[in-house]
Amino acid sequence: EDQVTQSPEALRLQEGESSSLNCSYTVSGLRGLFWYRQDPGKGPEFLFTLYSAGEEKEKERLKATLTKKESFLHITAPKPEDSATYLCAAEGGSQGNLIFGKGTKLSVKP
Amino acid sequence: NAGVTQTPKFQVLKTGQSMTLQCAQDMNHNSMYWYRQDPGMGLRLIYYSASEGTTDKGEVPNGYNVSRLNKREFSLRLESAAPSQTSVYFCASSELPGEKLFFGSGTQLSVL
Repeated sequence: EDQVTQSPEALRLQEGESSSLNCSYTVSGLRGLFWYRQDPGKGPEFLFTLYSAGEEKEKERLKATLTKKESFLHITAPKPEDSATYLCAAEGGSQGNLIFGKGTKLSVKP
Repeated sequence: NAGVTQTPKFQVLKTGQSMTLQCAQDMNHNSMYWYRQDPGMGLRLIYYSASEGTTDKGEVPNGYNVSRLNKREFSLRLESAAPSQTSVYFCASSELPGEKLFFGSGTQLSVL
């Protein structure tokens, strides 16, 4: 069964404390791995797309990486404004649609 | 820069009532999608339209119908609402299938 699992469910960090979010996937024929950010009461906002193992992309304090089984979203020296739920999604599988994980809720305290 | 616009933002229905959720995008995207988001679950695809004139079922289509009215607009209809359809509904669009999604701000629907 095609599946995307994110861990941890929730993460609390102090401002400046770097960490990583994990996204494990079992999707046949992966065509793309997406990361989105979702703020409370809003729709998800696109961050990155990764297409092949070994690929990395960066944006400000965020860096996304991809292996054949998982993706990581590394957050370096986070700030309170980085607090949000981060969603991972894999495109591929038997239906060819986007499969979302349940998300990791990140809280960054000053 | 409106992007993807959904209406209404909030709605309360009684079991058995019908309603239509409206979605419009101004980015000239070919593909449009309807998702639902429930606590403790990931976003789940209800229906999608890869291009104008086509619609296809997603993971959870039962109890819903859709209409791709034109390239800009994609509506979701609940013919006879049930409490299990209480959820937050998101419309999204992409330039082509498989590309990054742009989401609307969501409709919070409660069915009593």
